Amino acid sequence: KQEVTQIPAALSVPEGENLVLNCSFTDSAIYNLQWFRQDPGKGLTSLLLIQSSQREQTSGRLNASLDKSSGRSTLYIAASQPGDSATYLCAANSGGGADGLTFGKGTHLIIQP
Amino acid sequence: NAGVTQTPKFQVLKTGQSMTLQCAQDMNHNSMYWYRQDPGMGLRLIYYSASEGTTDKGEVPNGYNVSRLNKREFSLRLESAAPSQTSVYFCASRRGGAGTDTQYFGPGTRLTVL
Repeated sequence: KQEVTQIPAALSVPEGENLVLNCSFTDSAIYNLQWFRQDPGKGLTSLLLIQSSQREQTSGRLNASLDKSSGRSTLYIAASQPGDSATYLCAANSGGGADGLTFGKGTHLIIQP
Repeated sequence: NAGVTQTPKFQVLKTGQSMTLQCAQDMNHNSMYWYRQDPGMGLRLIYYSASEGTTDKGEVPNGYNVSRLNKREFSLRLESAAPSQTSVYFCASRRGGAGTDTQYFGPGTRLTVL
C-alpha cells in the first residue's frame, strides 16, 4: 500500500525567502506525482504534475522535482510571498485498480510579511 | 466554466439520518472521485468512477454508496449517518486515460453528524 509523508508539517518563514517542501513515498511504481495547494475552507488546486518519466516541472516561481528511485519529491518556492501562505499537499498516483491519489497530510506554510 | 460543483456546502445531520451529496462537472471528464478529509488523516478515497456506468470502492467505502448518474454527475449517499462520518467531502474529476492528467477538485461539503 502506497504511503506518502510530508516534512515539515508546518513552516513559517519571512517574505522573500526561498524554501523547500519535502514529500516521500514508499512505492516507486507511480504514474505521476502531483502537488496541490489548499487554502483554508477551500478545495484543492493543482500546482504541478510530474510524470514518472520526468525529473522536474516548473511553473512560475514553483519548481517540483521527482526522484522515483529514492521515493522523493521536492517543491521549491522561490522568493516567497504572503499570498503563498496555504497548505501544500503532495499526492502519488499509483494507478492500478483504484486509479485514485494517495495524499500526504500536507505542509502548512505561513509567509510572514 | 464552473468546473466541479458540489452541493450542499454545509450540512448537519443527526445520527441515523440519510443524505446525498451531489457533484457535477462541466469539463466532459470521464473519471470522477469522492474523497474525505479528516484532521491528521489527510484525504482518503471513498469511491471512484473511471467512466460513466462504472463505480469502484476506494480506501474507505464502508457506510457509503455512490451513483454515476450520467457523465456529468456523481453522487455520494450516506444511508445511516454516524458521527465517524463527520468530515469534509471533496469530489474530483479527471479527463481520463492512464493516470497522466491531474484531478480537478470541487469546493467541498462540510458535514457534521451529531
